[in-house]
Amino acid sequence: AQKVTQAQTEISVVEKEDVTLDCVYETRDTTYYLFWYKQPPSGELVFLIRRNSFDEQNEISGRYSWNFQKSTSSFNFTITASQVVDSAVYFCALSDGGSQGNLIFGKGTKLSVKP
Amino acid sequence: DAGVTQSPTHLIKTRGQQVTLRCSPKSGHDTVSWYQQALGQGPQFIFQYYEEEERQRGNFPDRFSGHQFPNYSSELNVNALLLGDSALYLCASSWVGTGGTEAFFGQGTRLTVV
Repeated sequence: AQKVTQAQTEISVVEKEDVTLDCVYETRDTTYYLFWYKQPPSGELVFLIRRNSFDEQNEISGRYSWNFQKSTSSFNFTITASQVVDSAVYFCALSDGGSQGNLIFGKGTKLSVKP
Repeated sequence: DAGVTQSPTHLIKTRGQQVTLRCSPKSGHDTVSWYQQALGQGPQFIFQYYEEEERQRGNFPDRFSGHQFPNYSSELNVNALLLGDSALYLCASSWVGTGGTEAFFGQGTRLTVV
């Protein structure tokens, strides 16, 4: 069965600190996709990144970076120099190559960035 | 270009009633998925519609049903509402050509059952 675990329920940091959100996944599929979404208080899930199982290259986008390690089934997300606007709930999700979009979400990590 | 739009944004219903939620997909998208997000939890997949047919279904009872129209918009119907159906209902749209790997979400409908 597929499963996504986000062990950190809540994280609180002070502005400008770096923070890493952990994500561990389980799947028996060889082809799968991993995602990170941001959910601000408004409720809408904002897409941040998609990574397929064949691409283990780390990615950096501005202050955001992602570390994908198949050996440990992890897909961690780091925010550098956090800002108050980064405060939100962040979800990691998994989709297998044949599910046509059925996303399995973790329970989310609530990030609070204080000024 | 409008993104995924859902209506209504908030809804209060009484236990035992029926409710219909609506979703208009992003322009160019032909596939609509519905998710239920209980408070403090991650979204859970309800079902997906493509070509006006239910293509996949999660672990939800038959009280949850849906429909997709020729213009790709979709409805989620829930019958015999229970208190436990109170949640944020999210709609996601995608294009079949991406295999559902690029899903865009609406702002959700917050349903409260009293």
